[in-house]
Amino acid sequence: DVKVTQSSRYLVKRTGEKVFLECVQDMDHENMFWYRQDPGLGLRLIYFSYDVKMKEKGDIPEGYSVSREKKERFSLILESASTNQTSMYLCASSQPGGMSASGYFGPGTRLTVT
Amino acid sequence: QKEVEQNSGPLSVPEGAIASLNCTYSDRGSQSFFWYRQYSGKSPELIMFIYSNGDKEDGRFTAQLNKASQYVSLLIRDSQPSDSATYLCAVNTNTNAGKSTFGDGTTLTVKP
Repeated sequence: DVKVTQSSRYLVKRTGEKVFLECVQDMDHENMFWYRQDPGLGLRLIYFSYDVKMKEKGDIPEGYSVSREKKERFSLILESASTNQTSMYLCASSQPGGMSASGYFGPGTRLTVT
Repeated sequence: QKEVEQNSGPLSVPEGAIASLNCTYSDRGSQSFFWYRQYSGKSPELIMFIYSNGDKEDGRFTAQLNKASQYVSLLIRDSQPSDSATYLCAVNTNTNAGKSTFGDGTTLTVKP
């Protein structure tokens, strides 16, 4: 069964803290994605990765960075958390190619920055 | 114009009716099309995909694709209260290696 896991379901952090969100997939997928989802704004792509140590900016990369040291793990880093980064963060994975859905989503991390 | 647009909701149908969810896309190079269901507070779940013009049926769900009109739809027959959710349309082009562009979603409520 397809499985994408995220390190936390709920997280509360203070403004200025460095925040790490972890995502692990067990499907040997090449592609991994980080989205945020906000009411009225839909799913917005933050960063994605097509291979280990490879990353590309999505639509809203400002204030975020990512790390992919191993194929199965993709981390999202908020360098200095701000209140406007309060959101639901969703990780997804997929196989390469235009026919692949991106994808299989993890359960999400609801981050609150106070 | 948004790359992927879905019919504005919310959509409400009585139990047992057919729910019709629509999506249009702007990139003529789009090759594959996906429907996700998202329950409140949960992450999106892939329920249907379609690559070729025409209809694709899976149980009570039918996806319809018309590439000439740049239009994809999802029909839910015999709608159940458990179908109440937000439905997201997603579109891939062949060149973006599995990176989908999502619509904003349509919220469906099925009333008993």
